[in-house]
Amino acid sequence: SQTIHQWPATLVQPVGSPLSLECTVEGTSNPNLYWYRQAAGRGLQLLFYSVGIGQISSEVPQNLSASRPQDRQFILSSKKLLLSDSGFYLCAWSVPGTGEKLFFGSGTQLSVL
Amino acid sequence: QKEVEQNSGPLSVPEGAIASLNCTYSDRGSQSFFWYRQYSGKSPELIMSIYSNGDKEDGRFTAQLNKASQYVSLLIRDSQPSDSATYLCAGERSNDYKLSFGAGTTVTVRA
Repeated sequence: SQTIHQWPATLVQPVGSPLSLECTVEGTSNPNLYWYRQAAGRGLQLLFYSVGIGQISSEVPQNLSASRPQDRQFILSSKKLLLSDSGFYLCAWSVPGTGEKLFFGSGTQLSVL
Repeated sequence: QKEVEQNSGPLSVPEGAIASLNCTYSDRGSQSFFWYRQYSGKSPELIMSIYSNGDKEDGRFTAQLNKASQYVSLLIRDSQPSDSATYLCAGERSNDYKLSFGAGTTVTVRA
């Protein structure tokens, strides 16, 4: 069966510090991978998605970047965090195709102070 | 206009009652819809998917889709305290097949 691992679970970072969140998927090959952010009381905002190694699509211009160095590894990064980067970050995967069902990792609660 | 809209709630129902959640969408080309359950502080969990007009039942959950009216609903029968959570509606965008999520409806089941 497929599993998705995301870490860390919580993170407190000062403004201006770098960020690296990692996500790995097991039990499937060539998944579509996603990074979402959820602000308190808000819906999920798609940040990045990837259909293959090195292929990254960005939904909105922002202070973040993503990379996919391996087939089942997805990394979310920032060089300098802003207060507005605080939120609940979720990695997700799906089997490519229409009618995609998303499966989420356990999430990272990021607080930028 | 948001792509997917839900009543934010909160929706409070007594144990054993039916909880009814509604969702509307603006992308007329959307074909696939999903309901996710999210407990506080946890990640969303897929509970239902629906692709065709009509009803789809899975245990105590029934999803309903009406493409002409562009709405999706979720019924939770025999509500239990463990059903207390936020329910997210998601629709697949017709241009790139990525999901757009509503803000969620918070449900509280009173024992």
